[in-house]
Amino acid sequence: GQSLEQPSEVTAVEGAIVQINCTYQTSGFYGLSWYQQHDGGAPTFLSYNALDGLEETGRFSSFLSRSDSYGYLLLQELQMKDSASYFCAVRVADSNYQLIWGAGTKLIIKP
Amino acid sequence: DGGITQSPKYLFRKEGQNVTLSCEQNLNHDAMYWYRQDPGQGLRLIYYSQIVNDFQKGDIAEGYSVSREKKESFPLTVTSAQKNPTAFYLCASSPDGYNEQFFGPGTRLTVL
Repeated sequence: GQSLEQPSEVTAVEGAIVQINCTYQTSGFYGLSWYQQHDGGAPTFLSYNALDGLEETGRFSSFLSRSDSYGYLLLQELQMKDSASYFCAVRVADSNYQLIWGAGTKLIIKP
Repeated sequence: DGGITQSPKYLFRKEGQNVTLSCEQNLNHDAMYWYRQDPGQGLRLIYYSQIVNDFQKGDIAEGYSVSREKKESFPLTVTSAQKNPTAFYLCASSPDGYNEQFFGPGTRLTVL
């Protein structure tokens, strides 16, 4: 089967750095995406990695290692508004137009 | 402004009734999707459509039906055959089915 694993909850302090990990087991792999969802809201796209390495977009960075079937989202200079759930999602070769979603990581930020 | 709209935001229905959730996009996207999200869970794909007049079942299509008669519209009907329909329903679209998906605000359905 296809599966994505990410921690259910992560707690960090405002201004700090936090890393949210995602490991995947899928048949075929095109790329790894990250989405943010605030409580009661809709997911919004953060980043996409198709190749190994680090992609940086402002305070957020995303990393992928295809050989390890592993990626992470790095959030720097945490702000209270970053409190949300973060989902990794994989586009796989045999699912044409579909994403396989992780269960999400709830990020709790303390002042 | 371009975007995806879903209506209504909250919907209450009695058990045994069919209900149709609306999803409209003016982004000129080819691909559209319906997801179900239960509390504390990820997104599960119900149906998706790559092009007008064509759609495919996702992982949890039983008890649901869709149509794609227009590029902009992808309504979802939750039928009485769906055993546990109370959930948060999200509609999304993508320019070509690859990478980024854009989501509507969602409809929270409660079946009493």
